[in-house]
Amino acid sequence: DTAVSQTPKYLVTQMGNDKSIKCEQNLGHDTMYWYKQDSKKFLKIMFSYNNKELIINETVPNRFSPKSPDKAHLNLHINSLELGDSAVYFCASSPTDLDGYIFGSGTRLTVV
Amino acid sequence: QKEVEQNSGPLSVPEGAIASLNCTYSDRGSQSFFWYRQYSGKSPELIMFIYSNGDKEDGRFTAQLNKASQYVSLLIRDSQPSDSATYLCAAALGYSTLTFGKGTMLLVSP
Repeated sequence: DTAVSQTPKYLVTQMGNDKSIKCEQNLGHDTMYWYKQDSKKFLKIMFSYNNKELIINETVPNRFSPKSPDKAHLNLHINSLELGDSAVYFCASSPTDLDGYIFGSGTRLTVV
Repeated sequence: QKEVEQNSGPLSVPEGAIASLNCTYSDRGSQSFFWYRQYSGKSPELIMFIYSNGDKEDGRFTAQLNKASQYVSLLIRDSQPSDSATYLCAAALGYSTLTFGKGTMLLVSP
């Protein structure tokens, strides 16, 4: 059973399109995150949700909208995709103490 | 602005040697520190965490923390080719999110 699962694993789309990435965790963790990893491997926090409530919203264009229907799910919707959005997007979850921080397998988004 | 700095490498070591990976952080209030390993095309996986000054050992891995110097390191003893990966250092302030460094690529040659 995968602890943090993301779909899709790969996503290739044209500029201007709207796409969604889904994330689910079965660990019972209270907090979920979205990270973006660019071509230079830099992992940067985008959003953090605790028990369905938005906790952190870093400087991210408002074309990115996270949604958490329940504490086990955190989805990411991206409007009007741009070339610069191409990256690997990782979902993660953690319990209160961060040593249980677990990443999903990532979604490689390519905008053409 | 919270920052975590790492040398991007690559750090090349021969098989069986000790690999030493270093990391500094800017936020003096950071309380917990993590080392993740990331193989190419895979997700980061946690290998060590440390909260207190000093050393923490787990098998071939030793994490070292010096809060006065705002410095964290990871030593890998008896390095193996399978240790070749990018190592990400991360810091957290309380129970907030992890702030990651840009990672150091380690290459272990047979």
